[in-house]
Amino acid sequence: AAGVIQSPRHLIKEKRETATLKCYPIPRHDTVYWYQQGPGQDPQFLISFYEKMQSDKGSIPDRFSAQQFSDYHSELNMSSLELGDSALYFCASSLERSGYNYGYTFGSGTRLTVV
Amino acid sequence: AQSVTQLGSHVSVSEGALVLLRCNYSSSVPPYLFWYVQYPNQGLQLLLKYTSAATLVKGINGFEAEFKKSETSFHLTKPSAHMSDAAEYFCAVSLGTASKLTFGTGTRLQVTL
Repeated sequence: AAGVIQSPRHLIKEKRETATLKCYPIPRHDTVYWYQQGPGQDPQFLISFYEKMQSDKGSIPDRFSAQQFSDYHSELNMSSLELGDSALYFCASSLERSGYNYGYTFGSGTRLTVV
Repeated sequence: AQSVTQLGSHVSVSEGALVLLRCNYSSSVPPYLFWYVQYPNQGLQLLLKYTSAATLVKGINGFEAEFKKSETSFHLTKPSAHMSDAAEYFCAVSLGTASKLTFGTGTRLQVTL
């Protein structure tokens, strides 16, 4: 079965550089979520999109932006990178039908290291 | 608003012993509850989920959890621990339709010989 695909798997950037992370949800899933997991921490919600519109926003820095495209893939753009942005970034997708949540599927994550 | 509290950041059990990882939730509406497992440097794998059907939920790898509304709990259990169960376990809650998952702070399970 198709899963959530994230690219790249690993990314090394220098401070003040820009990074773009990509997420390809499971086909026909209508909602995409982005999470940030720092070392030894629980995943923190950043932002979500439902049917290509931003549906919720969490603790996402102003330096970050995201969007969902017509083919439902999503990109997280991170600018002016700081050392503290080093983390594992997860994308998840879900399907909602008739008010029922069929669950969330997570990608393997992108490990971003800022040096 | 919703939140989960995981009691015990570290739990150590002997191989073959009962595993009990505790999770209490807070939600303004009937919640959806999940348990995820994360092995080192890997992603989040769904163990099981509660979505308002049966209160006793069976998941993968022999794990199960019981939803107790009166106690606002969703504890994860496994009758007999295996060395391969050593990992980080996260309890999570959502409000349902197109709603984000909110995670607990995680419990690291250690399994000893």
